[in-house]
Amino acid sequence: NAGVTQTPKFQVLKTGQSMTLQCAQDMNHNSMYWYRQDPGMGLRLIYYSASEGTTDKGEVPNGYNVSRLNKREFSLRLESAAPSQTSVYFCASSFTGGNGYTFGSGTRLTVV
Amino acid sequence: KQEVTQIPAALSVPEGENLVLNCSFTDSAIYNLQWFRQDPGKGLTSLLLIQSSQREQTSGRLNASLDKSSGRSTLYIAASQPGDSATYLCAVSYNTDKLIFGTGTRLQVFP
Repeated sequence: NAGVTQTPKFQVLKTGQSMTLQCAQDMNHNSMYWYRQDPGMGLRLIYYSASEGTTDKGEVPNGYNVSRLNKREFSLRLESAAPSQTSVYFCASSFTGGNGYTFGSGTRLTVV
Repeated sequence: KQEVTQIPAALSVPEGENLVLNCSFTDSAIYNLQWFRQDPGKGLTSLLLIQSSQREQTSGRLNASLDKSSGRSTLYIAASQPGDSATYLCAVSYNTDKLIFGTGTRLQVFP
């Protein structure tokens, strides 16, 4: 019963470096999401994928790209990391209609 | 703009108290509303999901109510315990799967 698995759990990047955050779910969910959580601002949606092969921008997409590799996997890429992208990143998945919303344990990213 | 607000931002109560957490949303045309719990350094755990046609949902000592017309939801926790200490997040969706989150209420229950 793994649920939603995110890797890595922690990462430190230098400004300008790139990296990919990986996310996989084993619940046969249709929809997958990437959120970031910052102090005092709550969780904000970066990108989401309503089904395999589709992706859409959320509230704060600038500086990020995503790939829905298959139904299980949804990755988030930072092409050129900036200190403003220091945050905790959460992947989530759900059935259509938001039922069964399940979050991963998060990736704590620091950009120096 | 669709916004979700949670009051209070922090709450500290003695063990055994019944307590109410509040959530308000600016656009009442919601699809559903969810309450989550987040422990420090951890992910979010779904507690209760209320569809727009429902008035309340219950799970154990937790009861969540929804009043769409007034744009409000409350999470009632009965007989609070130290293990209830966490941040509680309210989130709403509008005809999509995307959630709009409040900034949460940080609850501490002391023995």
